[in-house]
Amino acid sequence: DGGITQSPKYLFRKEGQNVTLSCEQNLNHDAMYWYRQDPGQGLRLIYYSQIVNDFQKGDIAEGYSVSREKKESFPLTVTSAQKNPTAFYLCASSPQYQETQYFGPGTRLLVL
Amino acid sequence: AQSVTQPDIHITVSEGASLELRCNYSYGATPYLFWYVQSPGQGLQLLLKYFSGDTLVQGIKGFEAEFKRSQSSFNLRKPSVHWSDAAEYFCAVGAPGGYQKVTFGTGTKLQVIP
Repeated sequence: DGGITQSPKYLFRKEGQNVTLSCEQNLNHDAMYWYRQDPGQGLRLIYYSQIVNDFQKGDIAEGYSVSREKKESFPLTVTSAQKNPTAFYLCASSPQYQETQYFGPGTRLLVL
Repeated sequence: AQSVTQPDIHITVSEGASLELRCNYSYGATPYLFWYVQSPGQGLQLLLKYFSGDTLVQGIKGFEAEFKRSQSSFNLRKPSVHWSDAAEYFCAVGAPGGYQKVTFGTGTKLQVIP
């Protein structure tokens, strides 16, 4: 079955630590996205990638970094510069940029 | 840039009753419009989308939505709600041509009472 997988389901970060969230898709989609979801705020775009080896900042990129070395993979690193990382993180992909997006199951990041 | 408003933060309906969730958008031309549903702790699932053509769009799980250009609305409807429909619903708007990001509303949480 084609789809998007995110791991881990829960992630705990200590102060000053960088953590990486995994996102993999086997839909052969060109575009991939990372969103942050906080209660009552909807989805906010962190980074997006239209094609391999290219990515762009979204609305709230500060404190985050990404890479897109393979079409199937778009990992997100939450760096120590992100002072309020506790949130639900959603990865999505679409056949091409701004077409219908399909979402993974999400990763919940908590701070110890 | 486009924007989207979901005026109802929380809605409660009785099982078997009809449902309408409101979505208003702001965009200078005909946008792309989407409805997604999210169960607690899960990702978003696409219910339906509108790109062009027939303004009444049928989706999965018995949902439908109607694009009304004159009202800048894309309301989601279901004639008879089931307890399993309890979830959060997000409306989203995109711009044809791919030059602007898809914008999501803040969501409407649906509670279904027996």
